[in-house]
Amino acid sequence: GQQVMQIPQYQHVQEGEDFTTYCNSSTTLSNIQWYKQRPGGHPVFLIQLVKSGEVKKQKRLTFQFGEAKKNSSLHITATQTTDVGTYFCAHERGDSGYALNFGKGTSLLVTP
Amino acid sequence: DGGITQSPKYLFRKEGQNVTLSCEQNLNHDAMYWYRQDPGQGLRLIYYSQIVNDFQKGDIAEGYSVSREKKESFPLTVTSAQKNPTAFYLCASSSTSYEQYFGPGTRLTVT
Repeated sequence: GQQVMQIPQYQHVQEGEDFTTYCNSSTTLSNIQWYKQRPGGHPVFLIQLVKSGEVKKQKRLTFQFGEAKKNSSLHITATQTTDVGTYFCAHERGDSGYALNFGKGTSLLVTP
Repeated sequence: DGGITQSPKYLFRKEGQNVTLSCEQNLNHDAMYWYRQDPGQGLRLIYYSQIVNDFQKGDIAEGYSVSREKKESFPLTVTSAQKNPTAFYLCASSSTSYEQYFGPGTRLTVT
């Protein structure tokens, strides 16, 4: 299936700094989902974006879907140690019902 | 208490043995999925099933087999044909084109 590229692969920030991860596709996506996986845990759904240019906020997290629906970003304002984990973007494969293609993720480390 | 259960959490096998990983859900979801996670590789789709008695191969199905005899259950068998079976295996389910719910995973080690 088509791949989405996530950058950066790793990010290490001091608590209170902002963080952004990007998800890029060479083709137009029908939607984009974001998941968070804590160390040793399993992925947990955060949000789904569907519309071109869509912006959604969840407390300190801001999610954007690009106008061309080929890229997306997750921005965390004033990181906290509870934000530690790996953030994945994912999109429907299109040829297979609701199965998803996942990016390789961005691992965030926050030091106090 | 609804959710997805996977058992066992850790599994150790000798090379050449088949092993079956359990996945059960009580969310009444039609679709279920198996992913494999390796360090730095994200999640890769092994098999998925959108309805009972039907399933399709994902990107890395070679060396794996599944069955979907009941809506609640989607077991994965890792066969001896799988070249590098040591990995973290995640089962998920969903009802429609929306979020997937993941189980806690099974960490398989084959030596």
